[in-house]
Amino acid sequence: DAKTTQPPSMDCAEGRAANLPCNHSTISGNEYVYWYRQIHSQGPQYIIHGLKNNETNEMASLIITEDRKSSTLILPHATLRDTAVYYCIVAGGFKTIFGAGTRLFVKA
Amino acid sequence: GAVVSQHPSRVICKSGTSVKIECRSLDFQATTMFWYRQFPKQSLMLMATSNEGSKATYEQGVEKDKFLINHASLTLSTLTVTSAHPEDSSFYICSARGWGQGRIAATLERETQYFGPGTRLLVL
Repeated sequence: DAKTTQPPSMDCAEGRAANLPCNHSTISGNEYVYWYRQIHSQGPQYIIHGLKNNETNEMASLIITEDRKSSTLILPHATLRDTAVYYCIVAGGFKTIFGAGTRLFVKA
Repeated sequence: GAVVSQHPSRVICKSGTSVKIECRSLDFQATTMFWYRQFPKQSLMLMATSNEGSKATYEQGVEKDKFLINHASLTLSTLTVTSAHPEDSSFYICSARGWGQGRIAATLERETQYFGPGTRLLVL
């Protein structure tokens, strides 16, 4: 599976949009981009995934660049409960391999 | 999304004993289940992959005789940590692949992986 690069940490003000970037320059044509988040001492929570089109659900939006080499997860109105580690994963094969993720701090 | 449960959520045991952790997919049949381990301030590390009715596939460096995996049905997988030692203390997380509740599988679409809440193991 392709590797991803994410900033180790980010801050966001409560109520503002949180934009979390992810680079996946070696992604291949059949690999999906997945986003999960892990709140302290819990299992990862699925957020969203996409192949090449932008996607939106009740939690977030996923913007994938046309060349698919990078993507951005957008939390439109961050709350304190969105403080977590966010993992961007590129997966097309059988296994889901986690990188280090981005630790998002939402501040009041 | 789909629900995956784990039991127990926390366990404390003495060194040398065995501990069994159960993972269940509650509202869908999981084609495959995975077991991860996470140490403090680290990311999740894949330990093994299991398919119902067949032997688990272990990642490099994971001892299959120490971490016994049984995939009894399409909704249940168990991880047994045999002869546990303090260095086995960790957060164990299972995951199941399947289609989200109410979602219609599309041709060539990849199943989503859903995670359990984790089991915190402390070996004294």
